[in-house]
Amino acid sequence: GENVEQHPSTLSVQEGDSAVIKCTYSDSASNYFPWYKQELGKRPQLIIDIRSNVGEKKDQRIAVTLNKTAKHFSLHITETQPEDSAVYFCAAEGRGSNYKLTFGKGTLLTVNP
Amino acid sequence: EAGVTQFPSHSVIEKGQTVTLRCDPISGHDNLYWYRRVMGKEIKFLLHFVKESKQDESGMPNNRFLAERTGGTYSTLKVQPAELEDSGVYFCASSPGTTQYFGPGTRLTVL
Repeated sequence: GENVEQHPSTLSVQEGDSAVIKCTYSDSASNYFPWYKQELGKRPQLIIDIRSNVGEKKDQRIAVTLNKTAKHFSLHITETQPEDSAVYFCAAEGRGSNYKLTFGKGTLLTVNP
Repeated sequence: EAGVTQFPSHSVIEKGQTVTLRCDPISGHDNLYWYRRVMGKEIKFLLHFVKESKQDESGMPNNRFLAERTGGTYSTLKVQPAELEDSGVYFCASSPGTTQYFGPGTRLTVL
């Protein structure tokens, strides 16, 4: 089955800096890669996703890149703000898996004012 | 649009007791998923319903876990009897297709 590795497990940055979280996956058939943000005590919220036919996707300060050959994808947050502090999860969905998501272990991002 | 709701938000039970978790998906979403996050680990898939049918239950840990989705609307996940290792946060998600919308989770503590 699919296996997703996520790094780093914790990340601390200064407000205004960029943050990068990286994930690798094992199943070359995976074709959908969402990122979820979970603030303390709240539900995981989808913040951006990318499909395997696209190499990069941006939404304001957030971008995701995908390298299918290397089987890794990354989340980039620019101009970080304190409200970006949360746990971020990457996930992968395999083709034919009926949309089952396999998650990474999460990254605790702390943005220091 | 109302989001996915889960009840209860917290549950503390003793080993050997039974607990039933409930999930109400977003109206019209045929796909309903259960996931679990044990402390410090990844969110793990438990099972997937399409309407009232179990599409994939490969993630269910053992036969102490029973999920139902009668009528294809809300779903319940029953743990009987609960063990210490069942502690964690149980998430429900629903989707019309690919994008999954998560509920706030039920934090289960087994003492």
